[in-house]
Amino acid sequence: EAGVAQSPRYKIIEKRQSVAFWCNPISGHATLYWYQQILGQGPKLLIQFQNNGVVDDSQLPKDRFSAERLKGVDSTLKIQPAKLEDSAVYLCASSHARGRYGYTFGSGTRLTVV
Amino acid sequence: ILNVEQSPQSLHVQEGDSTNFTCSFPSSNFYALHWYRWETAKSPEALFVMTLNGDEKKKGRISATLNTKEGYSYLYIKGSQPEDSATYLCASPNYGGSQGNLIFGKGTKLSVKP
Repeated sequence: EAGVAQSPRYKIIEKRQSVAFWCNPISGHATLYWYQQILGQGPKLLIQFQNNGVVDDSQLPKDRFSAERLKGVDSTLKIQPAKLEDSAVYLCASSHARGRYGYTFGSGTRLTVV
Repeated sequence: ILNVEQSPQSLHVQEGDSTNFTCSFPSSNFYALHWYRWETAKSPEALFVMTLNGDEKKKGRISATLNTKEGYSYLYIKGSQPEDSATYLCASPNYGGSQGNLIFGKGTKLSVKP
């Protein structure tokens, strides 16, 4: 089966600019996750969708981050405006049944804010 | 809040050496323990999802054990090869948050020298 697709792979922007990331999950996976992985730390959940509804966005900095999952399939994550501390790898993952069989990850977007 | 710890943070071994890493997690309200391998510029890949105390799983030269009563899991690599170089992440679902999203440790970065 096709994997989780993410784009772009790399992005360099200046602080205060905007950026958007796109994710296409595994077909049939109801749950989609966006994780942020800052260098030296483990991945941290930003937002979790079940179909097209948000089930957990408690760690999403809502003053600058937003995400949507239209029609329960593709998802976009946006940062506006970006800060230096947003430099990280942004991982999208999808799963069946709340991930009890494991997550399938995309290859991530490496964001550098200068 | 669920806290997942991994040690060591990094490990350098010679080709052919066997090695192991540790993941510790709260033993109360345990549901599952996941192991992922994340090679540079690739997607994190699920290795094991473990749920039962005393469980042992094996995939080629890699194996894992689980002790839910004391809250730890070991990942073993027998006869390390350069292609085993990667960051190994463990994670446990945050069912305290009711949605089951994975809480990750910081990872163990393994480097295998030829």
